[in-house]
Amino acid sequence: GDSVTQTEGQVALSEEDFLTIHCNYSASGYPTLFWYVQYPGEGPQLLFRASRDKEKGSSRGFEATYDKGTTSFHLRKASVQESDSAVYYCALNSGGSNYKLTFGKGTLLTVTP
Amino acid sequence: DPKIIQKPKYLVAVTGSEKILICEQYLGHNAMYWYRQSAKKPLEFMFSYSYQKLMDNQTASSRFQPQSSKKNHLDLQITALKPDDSATYFCASSQDGTGFTEVFFGKGTRLTVV
Repeated sequence: GDSVTQTEGQVALSEEDFLTIHCNYSASGYPTLFWYVQYPGEGPQLLFRASRDKEKGSSRGFEATYDKGTTSFHLRKASVQESDSAVYYCALNSGGSNYKLTFGKGTLLTVTP
Repeated sequence: DPKIIQKPKYLVAVTGSEKILICEQYLGHNAMYWYRQSAKKPLEFMFSYSYQKLMDNQTASSRFQPQSSKKNHLDLQITALKPDDSATYFCASSQDGTGFTEVFFGKGTRLTVV
């Protein structure tokens, strides 16, 4: 079945540091890839998505590039802020008529001023 | 204003009892979903409904039964509750169930089974 692997369970950074969260996937066909962000007490919110190889998704300074060759969709941000502290989830949808998202385990990002 | 309303926000239940989790969405969406988030597992897809019809069920247990009385409602009935059912249950919706539209999540109902 489909699966998403996020390498980092927790990341602790200082403001203005560079962020990388690694995401690798395994799926049949040509999945759509997503990054979601979840703040305390809230449900996950879509950050952005990408649907084809080499496509870059981006939002709020975060970006990730769909790489079919390495089956990866790593999240990056050049300069994090304290307000970016949240849990980040990589997810995929294999397509078809039933919209099922498969999520990674999530990465807790803590940014200190 | 929240567009996906889940009730209650917190719920404590006794083992063996039955509870209903309420979900209403005011986004005009035609597809609705339930996901579960427990301490030991990532967010897990449970059900998808499109135009009030069950499209996909990934829940192994028949103790979990979605109920759709209106297009913008998708409640979740859980019977014979077990401590392992303790989790946060998220309702979600999208314009349609094709996979090309954004999925929006509610704030969740945190269920604790004692």
